[in-house]
Parts: sequence; C-alpha cells; structure tokens
Amino acid sequence: SQTIHQWPATLVQPVGSPLSLECTVEGTSNPNLYWYRQAAGRGLQLLFYSVGIGQISSEVPQNLSASRPQDRQFILSSKKLLLSDSGFYLCAWSGQGNSPLHFGNGTRLTVT
Amino acid sequence: AQSVTQLDSQVPVFEEAPVELRCNYSSSVSVYLFWYVQYPNQGLQLLLKYLSGSTLVKGINGFEAEFNKSQTSFHLRKPSVHISDTAEYFCAVSDLGSNYKLTFGKGTLLTVNP
Repeated sequence: SQTIHQWPATLVQPVGSPLSLECTVEGTSNPNLYWYRQAAGRGLQLLFYSVGIGQISSEVPQNLSASRPQDRQFILSSKKLLLSDSGFYLCAWSGQGNSPLHFGNGTRLTVT
Repeated sequence: AQSVTQLDSQVPVFEEAPVELRCNYSSSVSVYLFWYVQYPNQGLQLLLKYLSGSTLVKGINGFEAEFNKSQTSFHLRKPSVHISDTAEYFCAVSDLGSNYKLTFGKGTLLTVNP
C-alpha cells in the first residue's frame, strides 16, 4: 500500500533562518505531489504542485520554493524565513486520473 | 476559477443527533467534489468523493453527501454522530482535468458533546 512520510512534525525557527521540509511517498510511482499551507480559519492554500521530476508549479508568489529531486521526494525550502511563514504545512500526493489527494501528517512551523 | 463556501465555521451537536455540514461551490465547468476530515494536529483524511454517477455518495464512518448540481451544493450528513466525530471537516472541489488541484473551503469544526 501507499504511504506518505513528512518530517519534521514540529519546527521552531528564528526569522531569517533557512527552511527545509521533506516529504516522501512509498508504494507508488510517478505521483503528483503537492505542498499546502494551512492557517487558522483560512482553510488550505495550495503552494506548489509537481507532475514529475524537476517540474514545479507555483500557485502563489511567496518566500518559499519547492524542488522534486527524485520521483517520490518533494522538498519545501526557504532561504530566509519570515514571521508570516508560520503555519501548518501539508504534503500530499495523488495518482493519475480520478485519484484523490492523500495527505501526510503535516509540519507545524513556528517562526519566532 | 472555482471557489468553495462552507457556510458554518462551527457546528456543535449532541451525541447521537443528526448533523449536516453545508458546502456550496462555484465553477464554470464540471467538477469533482470531496469531503475531508482533519483530527487535531494531523493531516487530512478523505471521507468521500463525487466524480460521476449517483449523486448520493457514501463514505467512511457513516457519512454521506449529496451532489446537487442545480444548487451547486455538496452537503455532508450523518444520521447519528459520535464523540469521536469531533474534528474539522473540509469540502473541496477540482475542475475536471485540473490535475487534481483542489480548492478547499475554510472548514467546519464539528464538536460533538455528550
């Protein structure tokens, strides 16, 4: 069966420090991969999605970037964190065709 | 572009009572519709989905939802809730062929009281 791993679960970082969140999927090949951010009372905002290695689409301009160095690995990064980057970050994958999203357990990021 | 409106940010109910969580969407094309549940500090879990066919969709944990195209709604229902159903519920929509980029509502916090 397919599983998705996301780490770390929680992270506290000072303003101006770099960020790297990692997400890996097992048990499937060529998944679509997604990064969402969840802010209290604001639902989920799609940040990036990827349909293949090296293919990244950005949905909103921001201080973050994403990379997909391997088929089942998706990384969310920042060179310098802002206070406004705090939030709950969720990685997700989907298969091709009529396949829903499957989410990881999320990373709660607090920028201080 | 599509949008999703969840009309209630919080819904408190008593255990064993029925519940309906409302969801309306707007889109200029045909859509897929989903309901997800999120327990505290966890990711989202798929409850049910509507892709095509029967407008009444049954999901996990006794939940069901009905797609109403004329009213652009996809309300979630359960005839008798349990304490363990306390969670946040998200409605989501994607356009056909959108590569499964979901647009989510802001969520409804369901609190089941004893």
